[in-house]
Amino acid sequence: QSALTQPPSASGSPGQSVTISCTGTSSDVGYYKYVSWYQQHPGKAPKLMIYEVSQRPSGVPDRFSGSKSGNTASLTVSGLQADDEADYYCLSYVAINNLVFGGGTKLTVL
Amino acid sequence: QVQLQESGPGLVKPSETLSLTCVVSGYSISSGYYWGWIRRPPGKELEWVGSISYSGSTYYRPSLKSRVTISVETSKNQFSLKLSSVTAADTAVYYCARQMSYNNGWAIDYWGQGTLVTVSS
Repeated sequence: QSALTQPPSASGSPGQSVTISCTGTSSDVGYYKYVSWYQQHPGKAPKLMIYEVSQRPSGVPDRFSGSKSGNTASLTVSGLQADDEADYYCLSYVAINNLVFGGGTKLTVL
Repeated sequence: QVQLQESGPGLVKPSETLSLTCVVSGYSISSGYYWGWIRRPPGKELEWVGSISYSGSTYYRPSLKSRVTISVETSKNQFSLKLSSVTAADTAVYYCARQMSYNNGWAIDYWGQGTLVTVSS
């Protein structure tokens, strides 16, 4: 199972919006609604930001949103803040009983 | 607050068995959820290793299935990973995690801090 494709980097200025893509295939991202997104600051454990494509766990600001079109899922961060600077990873379920991650995107707040 | 903490040897010899334990606090494993292991080899992407349900059903990464065993010890509120016949390719930071149900796509809602395991003689 190949890893999902994410851009290695993304950037934006404070207050702006940034969208990070996660491209898979018709067997994973394109077939299932089971895409989740994680934020990881250096030296910290990853944190769940989005699950089931667009669901936000309790405590995650509504500045973070997720969507999907075809084989590509996206994470949008609106109203960028300095603390949003981190690595972001996507994850998709793939049959049968398997999971595949994206390569990660380093988000820089300029 | 749910917390997970990995423990185990940081250095394992080639061909031997890697063994890690994850102690869970703030939640009883026997109450539900799935419990999994994820790793990141140096310079590579995160890789799901396998998961176990609270009732003991196991699910493994197909490419590792012949070498992986995940078990749960509810009396100690912990679960374990064993990976046999390791090679340098198994060198990675290993994370333990709590996963949501299949209906939530096995999303990972809590992670451990991770522990580096190096395979070297």
